[in-house]
Amino acid sequence: GAVVSQHPSWVICKSGTSVKIECRSLDFQATTMFWYRQFPKQSLMLMATSNEGSKATYEQGVEKDKFLINHASLTLSTLTVTSAHPEDSSFYICSAGGQGALNEQFFGPGTRLTVL
Amino acid sequence: GQQLNQSPQSMFTQEGEDVSMNCTSSSIFNTWLWYKQDPGEGPVLLIALYKAGELTSNGRLTAQFGITRKDSFLNISASIPSDVGIYFCAGPYGGSQGNLIFGKGTKLSVKP
Repeated sequence: GAVVSQHPSWVICKSGTSVKIECRSLDFQATTMFWYRQFPKQSLMLMATSNEGSKATYEQGVEKDKFLINHASLTLSTLTVTSAHPEDSSFYICSAGGQGALNEQFFGPGTRLTVL
Repeated sequence: GQQLNQSPQSMFTQEGEDVSMNCTSSSIFNTWLWYKQDPGEGPVLLIALYKAGELTSNGRLTAQFGITRKDSFLNISASIPSDVGIYFCAGPYGGSQGNLIFGKGTKLSVKP
């Protein structure tokens, strides 16, 4: 149980384009999903908390207009990196915490974004 | 704000040896989580701790929730090559949404 998938697993795009990353909880309903980014050899940094049916909560320093988050259902959250630039290249990981999860988060396999 | 200090940053061990890593917090946590991340993958939850003093095992892994609620350690017994990876501790911070803060990770290398 507690399986989270992400799609795509990797993407290469040109500077200025937008990229959408999907995060799905496959065997449980996730009222809350989280989006992280991870630079090489660094820890996970929380970008935003995505709540089903409401606006996402962004961490300080994360541009909400650049990183659009939609959590339209209990099993799907999407992160759209708008007008991507090379500095947005990173490993993006989502996680899901279900109801009664006792703070446990289950992570997706990550999406490697490379912006040329 | 809350910080998690994880040590060691990296460690090398011989196959079959036991290893230990720990995590300390600047403030009290009511949950400690230990994750392992393989290269190019998302973290996988290894052990979750919810009570001060709690000692929990998962196979060859054992983790303890410190009595002060400001620290936790993870032991791996009889290490094997597939234990290689980065181990992160994590704990909840702020609000009621279940946000986690992560340590910087301990990179484990195992020599066959």
